[in-house]
Amino acid sequence: DAMVIQNPRYQVTQFGKPVTLSCSQTLNHNVMYWYQQKSSQAPKLLFHYYDKDFNNEADTPDNFQSRRPNTSFCFLDIRSPGLGDAAMYLCATSRDGAGGEQFFGPGTRLTVL
Amino acid sequence: QQQVKQSPQSLIVQKGGISIINCAYENTAFDYFPWYQQFPGKGPALLIAIRPDVSEKKEGRFTISFNKSAKQFSLHIMDSQPGDSATYFCAASKGNAGKSTFGDGTTLTVKP
Repeated sequence: DAMVIQNPRYQVTQFGKPVTLSCSQTLNHNVMYWYQQKSSQAPKLLFHYYDKDFNNEADTPDNFQSRRPNTSFCFLDIRSPGLGDAAMYLCATSRDGAGGEQFFGPGTRLTVL
Repeated sequence: QQQVKQSPQSLIVQKGGISIINCAYENTAFDYFPWYQQFPGKGPALLIAIRPDVSEKKEGRFTISFNKSAKQFSLHIMDSQPGDSATYFCAASKGNAGKSTFGDGTTLTVKP
């Protein structure tokens, strides 16, 4: 089945220790998104790629970076995680981005000790 | 500035009842209005969506009602079931990249 896969599902890191979250998709979609979702809150868009074109949200901290080496994979790098970065990180894709459906992965739960 | 306001924050409904969740938006450029369903520990999944050229869309027990002039849309779940217990997010997006602005979510509990 075509899907959005996120690894790992659970990630524990130490304060200030860099961490990378992974997302892959078999849908061959052009657009990939990264969201941060804290408990009982709506997903908050961090950035997205339209093909190789990177689009950062204005309020995304510099601590968050992303890479998309090819159509299928996208990575979220947190350079120096703080306690406030503990959250669920959701990857999503959409076919062509023209206001259509987004397909979400199961998320990675990040814990910062 | 919150562009999509969702209410209520939580909702408890008896099995077989009707669940109604409301959203209001501000940006008239929005042209796609999806509802996502999220179970604990899972990512959101599209439930039903509507575009502003229609006033209602029904898929099974789920109906979106859309009022363009009032800039409001709502989700109705008919014959609510315990398996419908989840968090529901409305969203709105426009144009390229389909960037969605999400409402704050409604936690629905359907009691047996």
